[in-house]
Amino acid sequence: DAGITQSPRHKVTETGTPVTLRCHQTENHRYMYWYRQDPGHGLRLIHYSYGVKDTDKGEVSDGYSVSRSKTEDFLLTLESATSSQTSVYFCAISERGDYNNEQFFGPGTRLTVL
Amino acid sequence: KNEVEQSPQNLTAQEGEFITINCSYSVGISALHWLQQHPGGGIVSLFMLSSGKKKHGRLIATINIQEKHSSLHITASHPRDSAVYICAVKIGGGADGLTFGKGTHLIIQP
Repeated sequence: DAGITQSPRHKVTETGTPVTLRCHQTENHRYMYWYRQDPGHGLRLIHYSYGVKDTDKGEVSDGYSVSRSKTEDFLLTLESATSSQTSVYFCAISERGDYNNEQFFGPGTRLTVL
Repeated sequence: KNEVEQSPQNLTAQEGEFITINCSYSVGISALHWLQQHPGGGIVSLFMLSSGKKKHGRLIATINIQEKHSSLHITASHPRDSAVYICAVKIGGGADGLTFGKGTHLIIQP
């Protein structure tokens, strides 16, 4: 299994509070992704990173920010959590960013915003 | 915007049956992925293909680029194959991730 961990694995928070989710990899892969998974939707891309300090927005980036200060860590921040951000969040990594980009997924973080 | 449609959404079958899950997409792609999500939530990559056919154990994935269609087959299905199977496509050569279907929930009954 690819070495990807996510923390925390479960979190319950209140509307309006800031939340940071962490993705940590030991594979030294250049590309990292944050997705959210909701009932009735496929996984949707929030943000991605193609190197240290290099990030870009995905399909559903509103309300989220990311940072990548070192290769192994990719942080997802909800500046002021809302109930619509209740979801399961998956981090993924890939050695390549082009067509041959097999992705490896972390175990997921279940976030509940009350 | 590329849409990825999977069918069926839900499938219940008996152990030993031959299973087919279909995936259609609307624009040209550079690669297609099949993923498995276990009941506990973990997601595992099964196949990545851009043409033809790949086989791994009892799993076979095929793709027809001209028809924008892929199938995942499971031979001699077993209850441990029960999971959500997800089709995802890669558009172009950029680093912007995959576009996912909503998944097919498969249950294999003993």
